[in-house]
Amino acid sequence: GAVVSQHPSRVICKSGTSVKIECRSLDFQATTMFWYRQFPKQSLMLMATSNEGSKATYEQGVEKDKFLINHASLTLSTLTVTSAHPEDSSFYICSARDPMIGKLFFGSGTQLSVL
Amino acid sequence: AQTVTQSQPEMSVQEAETVTLSCTYDTSENNYYLFWYKQPPSRQMILVIRQEAYKQQNATENRFSVNFQKAAKSFSLKISDSQLGDTAMYFCAFMPLNNDMRFGAGTRLTVKP
Repeated sequence: GAVVSQHPSRVICKSGTSVKIECRSLDFQATTMFWYRQFPKQSLMLMATSNEGSKATYEQGVEKDKFLINHASLTLSTLTVTSAHPEDSSFYICSARDPMIGKLFFGSGTQLSVL
Repeated sequence: AQTVTQSQPEMSVQEAETVTLSCTYDTSENNYYLFWYKQPPSRQMILVIRQEAYKQQNATENRFSVNFQKAAKSFSLKISDSQLGDTAMYFCAFMPLNNDMRFGAGTRLTVKP
């Protein structure tokens, strides 16, 4: 079964609202999680690295005030898209590293559609 | 900065035939991991194969094998006895030790009956 759970799988929201996406590691403690964004027919682009108990590290060009990341526990990281606009519509995927075995596991992704 | 290049946007192969997907990367690191991921229409990322850079032996997983050329920074994926279920996007990925994973642009593979 899945070792990383991502929720919701699909969300539709109105422009100007905020949306929260959750990423949970189910059977390991993930000190580091990653958030990716994927536009149609394109690759996964790293948005930020989420570290438990500290601030996230954002990639160049990613607005940290727009994409709020919280990693308050060893099994949960959240991505909040604030004041969403249609151009934020995309597929968002999280991944979590199991530090014991050094492997990365991916969530099933969230399709965000902003009307 | 590390970059991953997949120069084949689309590939096709007849069922039961063999196909090779290309990937090159650029890094100054000596120790790292390389991966091939499959992304079907469900968009779930599925690990196909993984290679540790310090291992000279090419990784193999059933019908999937890689040709890892460290000096040339090349990491191609060979799919033998292609099946219809192999139709998907394939991403080559690079990850330094304990760091984040970077992906190539992807190759869309179609297996024809």
